[in-house]
Amino acid sequence: DAGVIQSPRHEVTEMGQEVTLRCKPISGHNSLFWYRQTMMRGLELLIYFNNNVPIDDSGMPEDRFSAKMPNASFSTLKIQPSEPRDSAVYFCASSPGTGDYNEQFFGPGTRLTVL
Amino acid sequence: GDSVTQMEGPVTLSEEAFLTINCTYTATGYPSLFWYVQYPGEGLQLLLKATKADDKGSNKGFEATYRKETTSFHLEKGSVQVSDSAVYFCALRNNNNDMRFGAGTRLTVKP
Repeated sequence: DAGVIQSPRHEVTEMGQEVTLRCKPISGHNSLFWYRQTMMRGLELLIYFNNNVPIDDSGMPEDRFSAKMPNASFSTLKIQPSEPRDSAVYFCASSPGTGDYNEQFFGPGTRLTVL
Repeated sequence: GDSVTQMEGPVTLSEEAFLTINCTYTATGYPSLFWYVQYPGEGLQLLLKATKADDKGSNKGFEATYRKETTSFHLEKGSVQVSDSAVYFCALRNNNNDMRFGAGTRLTVKP
């Protein structure tokens, strides 16, 4: 099992540019989560999907952020336009289901730097 | 809302020392509780979990007991190693499938 796959691992871009982060969850998992980690704010849940449907996007900071899950094996997190304060490590995680007992499996993260 | 509060770091210990990282939670209902570990440059990995009161989660010498009466889930290890140096996150997952993480505690173990 390859685990959760994220790409790119590192992204450096200039303010105002569009950024797209990608995630492939573990096969068979039906819940997917996007997190952002910064030194100041720690680990924040941005949005999660269940069976490809967005369930809770209350953590998405602004309209500049959007996430999609067109199928069970792929999700994107897009920032348009990007700003320096968006610099962070973005993690994708997947889970087998929505029950209380299902752990989340995290990807290696994408380190985003907006100049 | 539901939340997790964990011991502020950083924590620095010598090899073979005893480790405790405190974690308390606030939640409605009966959450599941987790400890995750993050090694440098990596994503979070589940270390251990407990799903109901008085359950003890254990893994790699680490233990934590779900204490409903004190709403706590403290992480302990009797003898830490240099390889345990990492950031440790306490977390809960409630009945709405919402996951809440603590701020993380950085542990450094010196030889």
